[in-house]
Amino acid sequence: DTGVSQDPRHKITKRGQNVTFRCDPISEHNRLYWYRQTLGQGPEFLTYFQNEAQLEKSRLLSDRFSAERPKGSFSTLEIQRTEQGDSAMYLCASSLAGDGNSPLHFGNGTRLTVT
Amino acid sequence: AQKITQTQPGMFVQEKEAVTLDCTYDTSDPSYGLFWYKQPSSGEMIFLIYQGSYDQQNATEGRYSLNFQKARKSANLVISASQLGDSAMYFCAMRVLYSGGSNYKLTFGKGTLLTVNP
Repeated sequence: DTGVSQDPRHKITKRGQNVTFRCDPISEHNRLYWYRQTLGQGPEFLTYFQNEAQLEKSRLLSDRFSAERPKGSFSTLEIQRTEQGDSAMYLCASSLAGDGNSPLHFGNGTRLTVT
Repeated sequence: AQKITQTQPGMFVQEKEAVTLDCTYDTSDPSYGLFWYKQPSSGEMIFLIYQGSYDQQNATEGRYSLNFQKARKSANLVISASQLGDSAMYFCAMRVLYSGGSNYKLTFGKGTLLTVNP
């Protein structure tokens, strides 16, 4: 069981730069999620894919954010023109479709710091 | 919209004792699932236990059990025989199960920081 893998673990960038994060889900999982977590808070939902289709985007996801999941495998989350308020932990998770009792399996996250 | 409330920002427990972490939820949907996750200081989110709204019995997984009181909309996590390694953030989360089967995302509470003292 290789688990959910995220890369990079840490990213420090200057305000205004673009950043891209990658997530490799558990291979048999067809659902993939992106969450954002700030200090002292629980994870907040950003977006969700079933296979390659992006089925929901949170209002938290401004037009500077874009996520893709080509071929229904790995996913990327890009943030354009980063702002200091984007500093957070970005968590990727995957799950099986089907019963509502399927838990989300999370990766270790990418910690973004915008200076 | 669904909402999860965890009213205890921090909890302390003595090693080997039991501790209860509170979680209340709000939804108008009759079908939903409740999850608890553990997040150690290293950052990974670890799934602990699940309770479905129609489950007749409270869920148990090893030292974890869920005290589910549907009428009160509460789903408290009970950890028995606490260990030092239990020190972590604990998050309660909910998934609403729509009749069309479009169940997917979890909504999380703000968490409770548990510290286990030796």
